[in-house]
Amino acid sequence: GNSVTQMEGPVTLSEEAFLTINCTYTATGYPSLFWYVQYPGEGLQLLLKATKADDKGSNKGFEATYRKETTSFHLEKGSVQVSDSAVYFCALSRRETSGSRLTFGEGTQLTVNP
Amino acid sequence: DTEVTQTPKHLVMGMTNKKSLKCEQHMGHRAMYWYKQKAKKPPELMFVYSYEKLSINESVPSRFSPECPNSSLLNLHLHALQPEDSALYLCASSQELPPASTGELFFGEGSRLTVL
Repeated sequence: GNSVTQMEGPVTLSEEAFLTINCTYTATGYPSLFWYVQYPGEGLQLLLKATKADDKGSNKGFEATYRKETTSFHLEKGSVQVSDSAVYFCALSRRETSGSRLTFGEGTQLTVNP
Repeated sequence: DTEVTQTPKHLVMGMTNKKSLKCEQHMGHRAMYWYKQKAKKPPELMFVYSYEKLSINESVPSRFSPECPNSSLLNLHLHALQPEDSALYLCASSQELPPASTGELFFGEGSRLTVL
């Protein structure tokens, strides 16, 4: 079946540090890949996505590249801010006969200190 | 308008109460979802509606009863819940068919439920 493995957290960084959160997946076919972010007390927001191999998703300074050869979708940001403190979920989507089924990783808690 | 709106944001109920969670979207999406999220865990799929018909029920206990009155609305009726049902309940929607559908789900802010 499909699965997503994220690097374990929590991750604590100082402001302006470089961020990498690793994500690898197992899936049949060609899933779409996503990073969702959840700020404290809120729902999930889509951060970025990639729908085919070698696509690069980017948003708010975050980037991730869909690597089929390594089945990875690592999240990176060159310079984190305190406001980036949140939980980050890597996910893949498999089209069902009705709707889409998201498979989530366990989530990585990021804390950025001033 | 790219929002999924959920009400109420917070709900406290006793084990004998009957309450409902509501979700609304106006993006023209024809697939709608209920997820349950416990603290420090990823969301878990409960139900999927496609074109107002229930298409997926992830073996959810019958004390949770979903309803999709029309393509914009999704309800979750709650009855005789247990304290372990306390969680954040997230509604989501998506485009139904490719190529419009990339599998992306749009989530609401959630309803935080506490069962006493």
